[in-house]
Amino acid sequence: SQKIEQNSEALNIQEGKTATLTCNYTNYSPAYLQWYRQDPGRGPVFLLLIRENEKEKRKERLKVTFDTTLKQSLFHITASQPADSATYLCALAPGQNFVFGPGTRLSVLP
Amino acid sequence: DGGITQSPKYLFRKEGQNVTLSCEQNLNHDAMYWYRQDPGQGLRLIYYSQIVNDFQKGDIAEGYSVSREKKESFPLTVTSAQKNPTAFYLCASTSKQGHYGYTFGSGTRLTVV
Repeated sequence: SQKIEQNSEALNIQEGKTATLTCNYTNYSPAYLQWYRQDPGRGPVFLLLIRENEKEKRKERLKVTFDTTLKQSLFHITASQPADSATYLCALAPGQNFVFGPGTRLSVLP
Repeated sequence: DGGITQSPKYLFRKEGQNVTLSCEQNLNHDAMYWYRQDPGQGLRLIYYSQIVNDFQKGDIAEGYSVSREKKESFPLTVTSAQKNPTAFYLCASTSKQGHYGYTFGSGTRLTVV
């Protein structure tokens, strides 16, 4: 069956460290993969999109990798800050619409 | 400012009642979507529309209905046939061209009382 998994429901890291979140998928062949940030009680906010022919994408302190062989995307936040605390969702597009993972709740501790 | 407006923010439904959630966008986006979010689960697609007067069922359309009479508006009706409607409902839109990010509204939390 098709599945999207994101590493552990919650991740705690110390301020200033690099946070690494994982998105693994099974039985999909996505052409695109996106990452979103969601704060409690709010809608997700789009962060980055990476295409299947791109290995890596960067935006300020954010970096996303996409390995279609491993069927995995990694999302990195460098020099993390307490303001980065939120739930991060990956979403992939095997076809016309995006399918979302369950999310990882990141807490950056001061 | 362009964006998506969902209303109301909180909605309470009695058993056997139909309720309608509003979604309006001023981004000139062609495609609009309704998702349902439950704790610990990913967003699940209810309905989507790529063009005015046309819409398709998503993965969990049973008990829901939509209309797309105007490009800007995509209301969702939760009917009495939806047996477990308590959830957080999110509306989103995107340009039809290319796979750009979705713009989401701030959501409606529906509770059955």
